[in-house]
Amino acid sequence: DQQVKQNSPSLSVQEGRISILNCDYTNSMFDYFLWYKKYPAEGPTFLISISSIKDKNEDGRFTVFLNKSAKHLSLHIVPSQPGDSAVYFCAASASNTGNQFYFGTGTSLTVIP
Amino acid sequence: GAGVSQSPSNKVTEKGKDVELRCDPISGHTALYWYRQSLGQGLEFLIYFQGNSAPDKSGLPSDRFSAERTGGSVSTLTIQRTQQEDSAVYLCASSLYAGSLSGNTIYFGEGSWLTVV
Repeated sequence: DQQVKQNSPSLSVQEGRISILNCDYTNSMFDYFLWYKKYPAEGPTFLISISSIKDKNEDGRFTVFLNKSAKHLSLHIVPSQPGDSAVYFCAASASNTGNQFYFGTGTSLTVIP
Repeated sequence: GAGVSQSPSNKVTEKGKDVELRCDPISGHTALYWYRQSLGQGLEFLIYFQGNSAPDKSGLPSDRFSAERTGGSVSTLTIQRTQQEDSAVYLCASSLYAGSLSGNTIYFGEGSWLTVV
């Protein structure tokens, strides 16, 4: 049972434009969300997080939006750069789910120079 | 250490053999997680430790899989009688504490790439 879903396996964006990566979840008790970036043959690296008490968190070119009523979050990258090309995973956690982090299946982003 | 360290980085083993994968978390991190990623798949949760105890073993695929953590630090994931479907990258991660408190970030190692032939 996939509690965190990333329905777009891949996304291509022109350099300089905005990349929007989407993530949906099913467990309304999730209260903490993270985005990770993964290059081939490397472990995932942390990008940005958001707590359910917020609806937006911004860090440089990266902004995460949370819509609790829709159980949806998104990662915006603007402007996109070729070095952003990677697989992006969203993750969610809640204290009543045993404190583990549930990951989506990932979206492969390609930024075209 | 500075980051999560995993060994071996690559392992090729024959079907039916046992393998051990090791994870050395970031110093001071009380929570440790094992995930696996098969080819073309997402990150599959296996098990996590809080200290030396494993509150959630629900992700272990079968009784051939086991994990332990000693001294609140190093963890070993053991796969007995390996099968070809066990081929995957096994990722270890650690965090300061378990759970969803804001600011709690999990940090991943580079992974152990297991190929069962």
